[in-house]
Amino acid sequence: EDQVTQSPEALRLQEGESSSLNCSYTVSGLRGLFWYRQDPGKGPEFLFTLYSAGEEKEKERLKATLTKKESFLHITAPKPEDSATYLCAVQGGGSNYKLTFGKGTLLTVNP
Amino acid sequence: DGGITQSPKYLFRKEGQNVTLSCEQNLNHDAMYWYRQDPGQGLRLIYYSQIVNDFQKGDIAEGYSVSREKKESFPLTVTSAQKNPTAFYLCASSDTRTDTQYFGPGTRLTVL
Repeated sequence: EDQVTQSPEALRLQEGESSSLNCSYTVSGLRGLFWYRQDPGKGPEFLFTLYSAGEEKEKERLKATLTKKESFLHITAPKPEDSATYLCAVQGGGSNYKLTFGKGTLLTVNP
Repeated sequence: DGGITQSPKYLFRKEGQNVTLSCEQNLNHDAMYWYRQDPGQGLRLIYYSQIVNDFQKGDIAEGYSVSREKKESFPLTVTSAQKNPTAFYLCASSDTRTDTQYFGPGTRLTVL
């Protein structure tokens, strides 16, 4: 059974204070690892898909990296508008489209 | 403007009633999904459909039903058999080239 664990559960940063969120996973044959951002009361917004170890993707202040056991979402010089819950999900080789989600990391960036 | 729409945004149900949540997409995606989100838990898959007139149960299908008569539409019915229906329901669709799922804005269902 695919499993995803995200840490920390909650993270509070000052504006400009860089940090990383972790997503550890166990999966049978990774097809893809996905990062989403979710604001309160809204649907998740797609950020990145990573397909193989060593892959990196960037978007503005966010950079996602992938190893064989975990993924990191690095946030550089965050701003208050980066405050949200960040969700990680994996799709295994035998999943037939199913995503397994972690519980998320609630990020708060204070001005 | 391409995207996924869900309606209504808020829905209130009395115990013993069935309710139907709407999900429409104009992204020309073949696959569509329904998830349930509860506080402190990850998203859990209820049903998914890879093609019109076909759908499969997810991890928590009991008490729910779906139909897929059109590529654009994937309505979810929450039946009276669902013991704990109060939750945030999310619909998604995916591009089969990338397997990336895109989500709608969600429907919050409250049982009174």
